[in-house]
Amino acid sequence: GESVGLHLPTLSVQEGDNSIINCAYSNSASDYFIWYKQESGKGPQFIIDIRSNMDKRQGQRVTVLLNKTVKHLSLQIAATQPGDSAVYFCAERGSYQKVTFGIGTKLQVIP
Amino acid sequence: DTAVSQTPKYLVTQMGNDKSIKCEQNLGHDTMYWYKQDSKKFLKIMFSYNNKELIINETVPNRFSPKSPDKAHLNLHINSLELGDSAVYFCASSPNTIGETQYFGPGTRLLVL
Repeated sequence: GESVGLHLPTLSVQEGDNSIINCAYSNSASDYFIWYKQESGKGPQFIIDIRSNMDKRQGQRVTVLLNKTVKHLSLQIAATQPGDSAVYFCAERGSYQKVTFGIGTKLQVIP
Repeated sequence: DTAVSQTPKYLVTQMGNDKSIKCEQNLGHDTMYWYKQDSKKFLKIMFSYNNKELIINETVPNRFSPKSPDKAHLNLHINSLELGDSAVYFCASSPNTIGETQYFGPGTRLLVL
């Protein structure tokens, strides 16, 4: 992940629409990427992961896309629901298996 | 059953005090971590232990000392607490390989006055 400023980026989405959360990572040697969801007052929770030998991976209502050329990762959430409101983090595993978290994006679902 | 548990959930203390946060995981994982999350939600790794051995030790003041009595427990002791230590501290664990999916505890909210 990369720093995008002092404030937590926020994405507001209408309920039922699709959400796309983006993440730029820094280490071209990173071989494994994870998306986490953190609800208010709770710890981060695993959503989906992808290895560097893949471009796309799908889960239930979520899809992760990896573009290694531009070091970009995205999380797509289909038919966004109020329960999807949370802060979403991307994480990359780089050298020495060290995991670095991105700055996070706050997703607000508008009913 | 809670997979990764931390105690206490809230901790309010004075500057200069010494405090400990405890973490336990019942997942049978070999690797455990401590993270600090600041007010802007930035998550930064502090320490990582694999089978009771220190693996990752980021640039953290010496006042912070992790202790792993067994692979199911990783405690964090903080000496001479400072205002800047106020944050949410998360414990996490993962199966054998460092960097694989991590399971986080509920966090300990530390406020130093």
